[in-house]
Amino acid sequence: KAGVTQTPRYLIKTRGQQVTLSCSPISGHRSVSWYQQTPGQGLQFLFEYFSETQRNKGNFPGRFSGRQFSNSRSEMNVSTLELGDSALYLCASSLEGRARDTQYFGPGTRLTVL
Amino acid sequence: AQSVTQPDIHITVSEGASLELRCNYSYGATPYLFWYVQSPGQGLQLLLKYFSGDTLVQGIKGFEAEFKRSQSSFNLRKPSVHWSDAAEYFCAVGAGTASKLTFGTGTRLQVTL
Repeated sequence: KAGVTQTPRYLIKTRGQQVTLSCSPISGHRSVSWYQQTPGQGLQFLFEYFSETQRNKGNFPGRFSGRQFSNSRSEMNVSTLELGDSALYLCASSLEGRARDTQYFGPGTRLTVL
Repeated sequence: AQSVTQPDIHITVSEGASLELRCNYSYGATPYLFWYVQSPGQGLQLLLKYFSGDTLVQGIKGFEAEFKRSQSSFNLRKPSVHWSDAAEYFCAVGAGTASKLTFGTGTRLQVTL
């Protein structure tokens, strides 16, 4: 079974631009979560989608948004990029998005904001 | 809200030596506990998880972890470390009904030959 895939793997943007990242979950998984990883803040939860609905949200500004499609694929968007948005963005999928479900992570998208 | 503490930022061990990485959690009820490993430039790979039953959990790559409720700990162990184990290790807790994971700050493992 194919793992979680994320595209693109690397992105370079400038301040003020917006960016869209894509995540394809493991087949059959209905929950997709997004995390931001930075050297200073570590791994932080952004949001989780299940059946095309955002179920949980972390403590991030409204510039960070996402959506999920009927095939469970998910995208996250960051508008008006800031230097501090430079990070590794990780997507994880799980069967039902319950706390006990194992989350399987993709390789991440490395975003650099100049 | 739940939290996770990994007291050791960086650990160096010799190949063949035993390893223990510490993890302490804070949560009012029984948490779901996970250990993940991350190699440079890669995503996270699950090593093992605990959510009920036997408090000693076996994982992949020869790792094990023991859940100790009285100490709020979930330490990761390996009897003999291999050079390929060099990576960053994250302890995480899931709680309640939500899928949100709360991660510790990670422990970077260096293995000397």
